[in-house]
Amino acid sequence: GESVGLHLPTLSVQEGDNSIINCAYSNSASDYFIWYKQESGKGPQFIIDIRSNMDKRQGQRVTVLLNKTVKHLSLQIAATQPGDSAVYFCAEGFYSSASKIIFGSGTRLSIRP
Amino acid sequence: KAGVTQTPRYLIKTRGQQVTLSCSPISGHRSVSWYQQTPGQGLQFLFEYFSETQRNKGNFPGRFSGRQFSNSRSEMNVSTLELGDSALYLCASSLDPGETQYFGPGTRLLVL
Repeated sequence: GESVGLHLPTLSVQEGDNSIINCAYSNSASDYFIWYKQESGKGPQFIIDIRSNMDKRQGQRVTVLLNKTVKHLSLQIAATQPGDSAVYFCAEGFYSSASKIIFGSGTRLSIRP
Repeated sequence: KAGVTQTPRYLIKTRGQQVTLSCSPISGHRSVSWYQQTPGQGLQFLFEYFSETQRNKGNFPGRFSGRQFSNSRSEMNVSTLELGDSALYLCASSLDPGETQYFGPGTRLLVL
């Protein structure tokens, strides 16, 4: 079936350290994966995406890794800053279903000063 | 370029009433999707519109409906409101279906 889940509901990281947020998915047919960041009172903000035929993609301070063998996705945030505090969602998308995106349950990232 | 805008931002209704929420996509974006976000169910896909046509629909009852206008603006309607409809309703737009979606701030609906 279609399901996207997260290993940890909360993650606390020291400011300046790297953060790693993990996500497991079960649908092998997903065409791409997306990471969104949602701050309190705001809608989800696109961070980075990766096509299913890739295993790594880098953005500004973020890296997404995709391991299709174990159906695992991770978001790495370098040098975590207070502004990174938010809930992070992984989501999977299907081109055949156009804009339908299935979201995971989210991980709350908190930053310790 | 202005982002996705949603109106109203907050709304309080009572059971049995109906509600209409509005979404204006990013200029040039032709695809609009709607999502419901609740603490218990997370983010769930409602429907997607493109060229004034509903292309995709999630697993929600018929009380939830929507439409898209020729200028790509979209509205969603919920009839006969239930307490469980209390949620944050998010609209997302993309250039075309399958492209990156950009979300609005959402409309927070409280049903009493």
